[in-house]
Amino acid sequence: EDQVTQSPEALRLQEGESSSLNCSYTVSGLRGLFWYRQDPGKGPEFLFTLYSAGEEKEKERLKATLTKKESFLHITAPKPEDSATYLCAVQADGGYQKVTFGIGTKLQVIP
Amino acid sequence: ETGVTQTPRHLVMGMTNKKSLKCEQHLGHNAMYWYKQSAKKPLELMFVYSLEERVENNSVPSRFSPECPNSSHLFLHLHTLQPEDSALYLCASSHPQGTQYFGPGTRLLVL
Repeated sequence: EDQVTQSPEALRLQEGESSSLNCSYTVSGLRGLFWYRQDPGKGPEFLFTLYSAGEEKEKERLKATLTKKESFLHITAPKPEDSATYLCAVQADGGYQKVTFGIGTKLQVIP
Repeated sequence: ETGVTQTPRHLVMGMTNKKSLKCEQHLGHNAMYWYKQSAKKPLELMFVYSLEERVENNSVPSRFSPECPNSSHLFLHLHTLQPEDSALYLCASSHPQGTQYFGPGTRLLVL
């Protein structure tokens, strides 16, 4: 069974204090790993898709990396508007449309 | 309209009511999904429609009934719900096996 574990569950940062969120996964053949951002009461907003170990993608202050067992979402010099819950999900190769989500990391950036 | 839209955004219903949630995607995708999101739990896949074929999570109660008249529209019909069905219901769409894009969700409260 595919599993996704995100840590920490919650993270509080000062504005400008860089940090990383972790997503550990087990999947029977990785087709893709996804990062989403979710604001309270809203749907998840797509950030990145990573397909193979060693791949990296960046968007503004966010950088996602992937190994064979985990992914990191690095946040550089965060701002209060980066406060949100960040979700990680994996899709198994051959798995019919099935994507397994983690519970998420709730990030709070304090001015 | 762009992306994935959902109506209504908020819904309060009694246990004896019948209501429907609507989702529309403007991305040219041909797979659509219903998810349930409850507090402190990962997103739970309820139903998938892809190329006119339906795949469902066998643990979803029969009081939830999906309908997909075409590749752009998806409905979730609700009847005789229970208070534990209160949650955020999310619609998503994708190309087959591709990245899923989410709508804003319907916040459902069952009294």
